[in-house]
Amino acid sequence: KAGVTQTPRYLIKTRGQQVTLSCSPISGHRSVSWYQQTPGQGLQFLFEYFSETQRNKGNFPGRFSGRQFSNSRSEMNVSTLELGDSALYLCASSSETPMNTEAFFGQGTRLTVV
Amino acid sequence: QKEVEQDPGPLSVPEGAIVSLNCTYSNSAFQYFMWYRQYSRKGPELLMYTYSSGNKEDGRFTAQVDKSSKYISLFIRDSQPSDSATYLCAMSALTFGNEKLTFGTGTRLTIIP
Repeated sequence: KAGVTQTPRYLIKTRGQQVTLSCSPISGHRSVSWYQQTPGQGLQFLFEYFSETQRNKGNFPGRFSGRQFSNSRSEMNVSTLELGDSALYLCASSSETPMNTEAFFGQGTRLTVV
Repeated sequence: QKEVEQDPGPLSVPEGAIVSLNCTYSNSAFQYFMWYRQYSRKGPELLMYTYSSGNKEDGRFTAQVDKSSKYISLFIRDSQPSDSATYLCAMSALTFGNEKLTFGTGTRLTIIP
């Protein structure tokens, strides 16, 4: 069974640009969550999608957005990039349960904003 | 103050030692408690999860939860160099529609051969 796949693995962008990251969950998983990981703040929850609907959202500005497609694949978009957006962005998928106790993470996309 | 506090370390112990990793939290709504291991340049992988208070053992790993003290621990027995990684505690309120995990900042562990 294939794991969670995130693309691209590495990305370098300039301030002010926008970026789109992609996540393919484990087959059969309908919940996809996104996290931002930085050395100072650790993993911080961005948002969670279930059956194409955003079900929960963290405390990030509106520049961070996401969506989920009918095949459960998800994308997140960051507009007007800032230097502070440099981080590892992780996607996690979990099975069709009300809780997110067994979240499986991808390897992440390392975003560097210069 | 963060909802979940975790000593970032780094923590270095000799091979074969018992390792103790800990987190404290402030949100009484947390009911599911997890430990993730993250190797360099990899995503976190789930090691153990525990519901409510109590102990859970899996091989060399033991997870403990004390909800009255809002304190969780992970013990690693007979530590191996392959255990060198960052260990993250995570918690969930287990409320439908609130499936987010709240993480500690992680403890970097090095096992010295």
